[in-house]
Amino acid sequence: EVQLVESGGGLVQPGGSLRLSCAASGFIFSRNDMHWVRQVTGKGLEWVSGIGAAGDTYYADSVKGRFTISRENAKNSLYLQMSSLRAGDTAVYYCARSWGKEFDPWGQGTLVTVSS
Amino acid sequence: DIQMTQSPSSVSASAGDRVTITCRASQHISSWIAWYQQKPGKAPKLLIYAASSLQSGVPSRFSGSGFGTDFTLTISSLQPEDFATYYCQQANSFPLTFGGGTKVESK
Repeated sequence: EVQLVESGGGLVQPGGSLRLSCAASGFIFSRNDMHWVRQVTGKGLEWVSGIGAAGDTYYADSVKGRFTISRENAKNSLYLQMSSLRAGDTAVYYCARSWGKEFDPWGQGTLVTVSS
Repeated sequence: DIQMTQSPSSVSASAGDRVTITCRASQHISSWIAWYQQKPGKAPKLLIYAASSLQSGVPSRFSGSGFGTDFTLTISSLQPEDFATYYCQQANSFPLTFGGGTKVESK
């Protein structure tokens, strides 16, 4: 069974940093593109960042220069290093496997709260 | 960036009803659109990809259509488990973008 499990969320002060992790299992992680998508509570979905199997990276303008996506194939893990965090970054962050440029499946999400 | 305009934002329906949700892209995206279902407190689930391809395990009452800029998700006979929020997503180019969502509520 394909499974994605996020971790690393929590409460952080504005301007602070946080690193999210996503542990993958049930598929050949190294061969798949991966993404982060976020959702403000009660609001819609926003794609944040993606990384190709070859290591190419893509970012939404809203996080470019502040967030860094990476992967460690030996550990079947995806990461999102977030810095200079703002209140507007408060959201549930999902990791998702790429299905083309669609997302399937998704993890259960991890909540990031940026507040003083 | 490609904007995805989804309508309606909410729809009230009863079990057995036919429900149609539309999504319009701000530029031509061929068939590069996906549809997702999200229930409260859960992650989204992929229903349809490439405009009309049903993801494995998704009931056949869900169907998608369209090409270019105008797309439709149809639920042919709404079931109780289908009350949820639905999102479209363009898969044509980065940045990948979603529609604003359609909440299907019980009438």
